[in-house]
Amino acid sequence: AQRVTQPEKLLSVFKGAPVELKCNYSYSGSPELFWYVQYSRQRLQLLLRHISRESIKGFTADLNKGETSFHLKKPFAQEEDSAMYYCALSGNFGNEKLTFGTGTRLTIIP
Amino acid sequence: NAGVTQTPKFQVLKTGQSMTLQCAQDMNHEYMSWYRQDPGMGLRLIHYSVGAGITDQGEVPNGYNVSRSTTEDFPLRLLSAAPSQTSVYFCASSRLAGGIYNEQFFGPGTRLTVL
Repeated sequence: AQRVTQPEKLLSVFKGAPVELKCNYSYSGSPELFWYVQYSRQRLQLLLRHISRESIKGFTADLNKGETSFHLKKPFAQEEDSAMYYCALSGNFGNEKLTFGTGTRLTIIP
Repeated sequence: NAGVTQTPKFQVLKTGQSMTLQCAQDMNHEYMSWYRQDPGMGLRLIHYSVGAGITDQGEVPNGYNVSRSTTEDFPLRLLSAAPSQTSVYFCASSRLAGGIYNEQFFGPGTRLTVL
């Protein structure tokens, strides 16, 4: 069975400080990992996915298969980054249904 | 494009009542799904569909039914509402390209309270 763990329910960071949202997964095969974000009064939307290797809104995430992690990072937090962040996994190279973590609410302190 | 639409936005039910949450998408997506979002539990998959006439159970299907008679619509039925079904419900859709699940597009959500 696949499982996604986000150990922090709440995370507060000062504006301009680095941000790291942790995500660990349990899956025996080859996973595809995603980060979804829900800003206040907006819909849940895709932020980035591992296979794209992109940096979106200054965020990056590296898949570490040895540590089974996909942490989301940004070097300098901005106030507009305040949101709910969900890590998600799709097994078998992305051919299976998404499993979401429990989410981390990020608050950027001005 | 309206994307994924859901109705109603809010609903209050009494225990034992039934209702249908509507979901529609205009992007011609093959895959549609229903999630419930509960504090501290993230998003949990209720039911999903990979095309018209095809549905399957997710992680928490008990107490819910779905059908997919058209590509566009994927209604979720609560058969006999219980307080444990108080939640925010999200519908999502995505393309299926070569069997690989692509970006899921979410609806605005339906906040359901069961008294």
